[in-house]
Amino acid sequence: DVKVTQSSRYLVKRTGEKVFLECVQDMDHENMFWYRQDPGLGLRLIYFSYDVKMKEKGDIPEGYSVSREKKERFSLILESASTNQTSMYLCASSSIPYYGYTFGSGTRLTVV
Amino acid sequence: RKEVEQDPGPFNVPEGATVAFNCTYSNSASQSFFWYRQDCRKEPKLLMSVYSSGNEDGRFTAQLNRASQYISLLIRDSKLSDSATYLCVVNTNAGKSTFGDGTTLTVKP
Repeated sequence: DVKVTQSSRYLVKRTGEKVFLECVQDMDHENMFWYRQDPGLGLRLIYFSYDVKMKEKGDIPEGYSVSREKKERFSLILESASTNQTSMYLCASSSIPYYGYTFGSGTRLTVV
Repeated sequence: RKEVEQDPGPFNVPEGATVAFNCTYSNSASQSFFWYRQDCRKEPKLLMSVYSSGNEDGRFTAQLNRASQYISLLIRDSKLSDSATYLCVVNTNAGKSTFGDGTTLTVKP
């Protein structure tokens, strides 16, 4: 089974901090995605990547950036954390774009 | 109007019941369709793809109606362990993937 590992299950950060969320997958998938999930808003795509060093903006990229230096690792960066970025962050990977995602277990980020 | 809409529920049913969820989508160019299951405070997990001819996996049946732009998920003989939120996902040929907000199912003894 594909395994997608997110480095932290829970994080608490202060407003203005730079925050790194790490995601690693072990099945050589080319496609990786970052979503956030909020009650009433569902899952929203932040950024995605089809290959190493490649990135594309999703629906809500403002306030975020990403890095994909190696195929297995896709990092989400909150440049200056704000309270409205308090959310559940989910990383996913797939072998075919937008087909059959495997999600990581999520990082619940609280910005205070 | 949202691109993908689901009745949020909750659906509360007794064990053994049959329950059906619908999901409507607005983009007629949508190409592929999926159902995911998400347990409380866990990540979504792929339940099944939805094929044009309909498909079945044990107690679960998925259907697609392109003319009316909806997909459905039927669960027969509900188990307590089926309690979860069910998310539909619709992909366009441009590669965009849109999630519904989910339908919550509670199966009671």
